[in-house]
Amino acid sequence: RKEVEQDPGPFNVPEGATVAFNCTYSNSASQSFFWYRQDCRKEPKLLMSVYSSGNEDGRFTAQLNRASQYISLLIRDSKLSDSATYLCVVGTQTGANNLFFGTGTRLTVIP
Amino acid sequence: DADVTQTPRNRITKTGKRIMLECSQTKGHDRMYWYRQDPGLGLRLIYYSFDVKDINKGEISDGYSVSRQAQAKFSLSLESAIPNQTALYFCATSDFPKTGTYEQYFGPGTRLTVT
Repeated sequence: RKEVEQDPGPFNVPEGATVAFNCTYSNSASQSFFWYRQDCRKEPKLLMSVYSSGNEDGRFTAQLNRASQYISLLIRDSKLSDSATYLCVVGTQTGANNLFFGTGTRLTVIP
Repeated sequence: DADVTQTPRNRITKTGKRIMLECSQTKGHDRMYWYRQDPGLGLRLIYYSFDVKDINKGEISDGYSVSRQAQAKFSLSLESAIPNQTALYFCATSDFPKTGTYEQYFGPGTRLTVT
C-alpha cells in the first residue's frame, strides 16, 4: 500500500470555479502534512502546511482529519495561474525524517 | 541566486556510462536528499545525508552512490547507467531538527536520459 494516495486527475475547471483535492495517508504516526505545487518540469515548491485545526491562505484552504487519515486542499476562485500539479506530502518520523509524496493531482484552469 | 542548485540541468548518456549529478546549497542546512521522479510514481528517495559523515540509503538506492563532500555539496553517481534510470532527479535540503519542520527545499532538477 502506498504511503500517500491521491487522485491523479486531471481536473479541468473553468476560471472562477472552486476545486477540491483529496489525499489519504497510511501511517497513523505521521506528524507533518503539506501541499506542494509543481509546475511542469519544475521543482516542487511548498504551497502550504496543513494543521489539525485547518488553515487558510488567501484562496487556498487546507484541512486535516487525523481520525480518517485524510487531507484536503480547496482552491476558490480558480485562476489560470493555478494550473499545476498539486502534491500531497506527509512527514513521518523515520530514520530519515522522510517526506512521502503522493503522485500528484493535475489541475488545468480553462479560460 | 537560487539557494539549491543542480548541475547539469539536462544530460543524455549511454548505457554503461558513469555519470555524476551535483547539488550545492547556500541555505546552511545539514540535511540533504536525492530523489527521482517518474511519471505516475511520484518522488522516491534515493539517498539522504544528515551531515558529512552520515549517509543513508533510501527507498531505491540500488545502482546509485553518493558523496557528501561538504555541508553544502551532495553528489549522486550512477556507476553504470541503464535506461530505466531515465528520470527527473531532484536534490533537496532540510533544516530539521533546528526548525522542527519537515519542509524540504528543492533544486531545479536534472533531467537524465539514458539511451
